[in-house]
Amino acid sequence: GEDVEQSLFLSVREGDSSVINCTYTDSSSTYLYWYKQEPGAGLQLLTYIFSNMDMKQDQRLTVLLNKKDKHLSLRIADTQTGDSAIYFCAESDNQGGKLIFGQGTELSVKP
Amino acid sequence: GAGVSQTPSNKVTEKGKYVELRCDPISGHTALYWYRQSLGQGPEFLIYFQGTGAADDSGLPNDRFFAVRPEGSVSTLKIQRTERGDSAVYLCASSVGQANNEQFFGPGTRLTVL
Repeated sequence: GEDVEQSLFLSVREGDSSVINCTYTDSSSTYLYWYKQEPGAGLQLLTYIFSNMDMKQDQRLTVLLNKKDKHLSLRIADTQTGDSAIYFCAESDNQGGKLIFGQGTELSVKP
Repeated sequence: GAGVSQTPSNKVTEKGKYVELRCDPISGHTALYWYRQSLGQGPEFLIYFQGTGAADDSGLPNDRFFAVRPEGSVSTLKIQRTERGDSAVYLCASSVGQANNEQFFGPGTRLTVL
C-alpha cells in the first residue's frame, strides 16, 4: 500500500537553510504536497509539486522531486523562528482524492 | 471569507458512548474529507464525499464509524460505542471539487474517550 516516510526532528539556527526530506511509495501520485502545522492551528498548505516537475521554487521555499528514487525535499532558505512547526509531506492517491501523510518532521529554529 | 469550521473544538466522552462531530466546509466546496490525527502522527484518511455521496470510505476503521452529508454541505462524523483508542483529533477538509485541488483544513475536534 501507499506509505510516506519522514525523519521526525530537525534543529537549525536562525538564518540557516533547513532541508526536510520525505520518501513515498506510490509512483502514480499526481501531486506531492508540503503542509505546515503550528500548535493550535490547522494544517496549512505550503506548496505542492506536480509529478512531472523536478523542482519548484516559491519565495524562500524550494521543492525538489526525484521521481526515480521517490524522494521529495523541502528547503527553507533563511529559516526564521516563526518557521518552527511540524511539516508534513503528503501524496495524493492515484484516484486524486485522499491525501496520504507522513508522520511529520518537527522543525525547531534556535535564535 | 469563512474557512472550514468544526464543532465542538473539544469533546470528552466515556467509553461506550455515542458522539457526533460536525464539519462546515467552505461555501461552494463540493468535496469534503475527514481525517484522524493521533498524537505524534500525521493525519490518516477516513472518508471523502463528493457532493452528498461517499466517493471513498476505505479509511473508516470499522463499522462503529459512519459519516453523512445529506445536503452536500455540512457533514457529520458519527462514532458509536466509543473506545479509548478512538481518542484523537478529527480533522475535516474541503476542496473545490476536482481531484487534486487544494484541501483546506479546519482546526479539528479533539476527542478524548475516558
